[in-house]
Amino acid sequence: GAVVSQHPSWVICKSGTSVKIECRSLDFQATTMFWYRQFPKQSLMLMATSNEGSKATYEQGVEKDKFLINHASLTLSTLTVTSAHPEDSSFYICSARDLGLAGGNEQFFGPGTRLTVL
Amino acid sequence: QQQVKQSPQSLIVQKGGISIINCAYENTAFDYFPWYQQFPGKGPALLIAIRPDVSEKKEGRFTISFNKSAKQFSLHIMDSQPGDSATYFCAASIIGNTPLVFGKGTRLSVIA
Repeated sequence: GAVVSQHPSWVICKSGTSVKIECRSLDFQATTMFWYRQFPKQSLMLMATSNEGSKATYEQGVEKDKFLINHASLTLSTLTVTSAHPEDSSFYICSARDLGLAGGNEQFFGPGTRLTVL
Repeated sequence: QQQVKQSPQSLIVQKGGISIINCAYENTAFDYFPWYQQFPGKGPALLIAIRPDVSEKKEGRFTISFNKSAKQFSLHIMDSQPGDSATYFCAASIIGNTPLVFGKGTRLSVIA
């Protein structure tokens, strides 16, 4: 099946710094990528949807100036957490979808990035 | 408003038994219903998915049953094994370019 990678797999940073997380589709072109965050023992919460070459669509309550998303190519999307604070500590997961693949509805998830803000 | 309701929240099953997880949805426009398995510290992995034109789909030990009139679907894990212990999420979406809506998850523990 299609493979999605994330980098880094974990990151620890100081409060006030910015952190960039990369999401790559390794063997397919992702027309759409999604970013989720997941707190311990909870479900995935959609943060934003990004389509290649256009601005991301953020879910209600997600600060677009704090969580910057760039989807500059069909294989790479980045999430930058700006001025991170301890409450931003979470598990961030991306997923990618190729509309041309098997009807285009299957989402392939990355392995996640554990962010800890001290 | 939660669009996909999942139950139970946690489930303990003996090895060899059948694990059953249920989901109910509200939006009748949904036409794609996947189940994901997630191990601690990992991203979700697609297990099996169904579309509303069939009432059942089986892949190995995993079966989805779908009831369109009741707006419900369920995951059955036959011959449950300790390695199946994970969190399972149901989801739903409208085929095309809409994001998945996830249930809250079920933590399954299979004990020997």
